[in-house]
Amino acid sequence: DTAVSQTPKYLVTQMGNDKSIKCEQNLGHDTMYWYKQDSKKFLKIMFSYNNKELIINETVPNRFSPKSPDKAHLNLHINSLELGDSAVYFCASSQEINNEQFFGPGTRLTVL
Amino acid sequence: AQTVTQSQPEMSVQEAETVTLSCTYDTSESDYYLFWYKQPPSRQMILVIRQEAYKQQNATENRFSVNFQKAAKSFSLKISDSQLGDAAMYFCAYGRGNAGNNRKLIWGLGTSLAVNP
Repeated sequence: DTAVSQTPKYLVTQMGNDKSIKCEQNLGHDTMYWYKQDSKKFLKIMFSYNNKELIINETVPNRFSPKSPDKAHLNLHINSLELGDSAVYFCASSQEINNEQFFGPGTRLTVL
Repeated sequence: AQTVTQSQPEMSVQEAETVTLSCTYDTSESDYYLFWYKQPPSRQMILVIRQEAYKQQNATENRFSVNFQKAAKSFSLKISDSQLGDAAMYFCAYGRGNAGNNRKLIWGLGTSLAVNP
């Protein structure tokens, strides 16, 4: 059983388009995250939701909008895609007990 | 603010040998967790090992062990009997204890490990 799943795994699109990435976790965790990993492999936290409430909102363009319909799902919608948005986006989840984060397989977004 | 530093952008090791990846961190807190994550070419992020700051004993998981020096704020990862499958990017991360619902991890920049046959 997949613990944290993301769809799609690959996304190729044109500049200016709007796209969404979906994430689901079946671990019963109460907190979910979105990370961006650039070409140099740097992991940057974007957002964190705890029980559907936005907790962390780092300096991210407002073209990026997360949405958590319930605590098992966290989606990321990106408007007006730009070349610089090309990266791998990871979803993760955690429970309070020890801070360990479980990651999805990542979505490689390529903006042409 | 907490920081995590991995001073070795790249490392290499011969198959079957031992390699140590370094990680230092800065914090004024006493309750925290430290992690090593592995990211192979498949890009999946995999937890390798976790250390609770209140535990004096160094964590061990099979061929992976840490040298946790709390006073020196050092958390190095030792990989024994290196295998080709150990080739990956390794990330060190720090997480606050009792963080409540704000459980942001602080990440190092990573160390790329090559394993030579």
